[in-house]
Amino acid sequence: EVQLVESGGGLVHPGGSLRLSCEGSGLTMSRYSMNWVRQAPGKGLEWLSYITTLSTTIYYADSVKGRFTISRDNAKNALYLQMNDLRDEDTAVYYCARDFSYSGSYWDWFDPWGPGTLVIVSS
Amino acid sequence: EIVLTQSPATLSLSPGERATLSCRASQSVRSYLAWYQQKPGQAPRLLIYDASKRATGIPARFSGSGSGTDFTLTISSLEPEDFAVYYCQQRANWPPLTFGGGTKVEIK
Repeated sequence: EVQLVESGGGLVHPGGSLRLSCEGSGLTMSRYSMNWVRQAPGKGLEWLSYITTLSTTIYYADSVKGRFTISRDNAKNALYLQMNDLRDEDTAVYYCARDFSYSGSYWDWFDPWGPGTLVIVSS
Repeated sequence: EIVLTQSPATLSLSPGERATLSCRASQSVRSYLAWYQQKPGQAPRLLIYDASKRATGIPARFSGSGSGTDFTLTISSLEPEDFAVYYCQQRANWPPLTFGGGTKVEIK
């Protein structure tokens, strides 16, 4: 069974930093592009960042550009999100999601998602 | 940035009823649209991709239709486990990848 599991969440003060990890099992993560998506309490989904298999292409949402850095270690089957200069509005559950290509589909879609890790930014 | 608007925000229905959820894009996304289901305390799950194709393991009561700017997710007969929040997502013009605000399907 393909599974992703995030870790590294917790309570952090405004201006602080955290590094989230996402580890895969039942899949070779090096074969897939990956994403980070977050969900503030009681709110909808917000895509944050995307990275290709060899890290040659990386995208960020404007809301985190310059503060967050996505990276991966294919040897460890892992994905990371370094979050700096955290703000109250960064409080959310953070999900990693695989880009999966269904046969005949032009684009990839988020499948599966990890269960998420909660980040709380508060003084 | 493509904005996706979902309606209604909340849909109150009984088990066995038909659910029709709408997603409207601010500009054409062709058929590059997906639907996800999220139950309380769980991660989202892919239901439909390419506007109308069911993901692996998704029951046939879920169907998607539409292209361009108007899309519909239909649940033909609601099962108890279908009461959840549903999000649409586009991949026609990105970054950024964008989601709709969600439709909550609740028990009437």
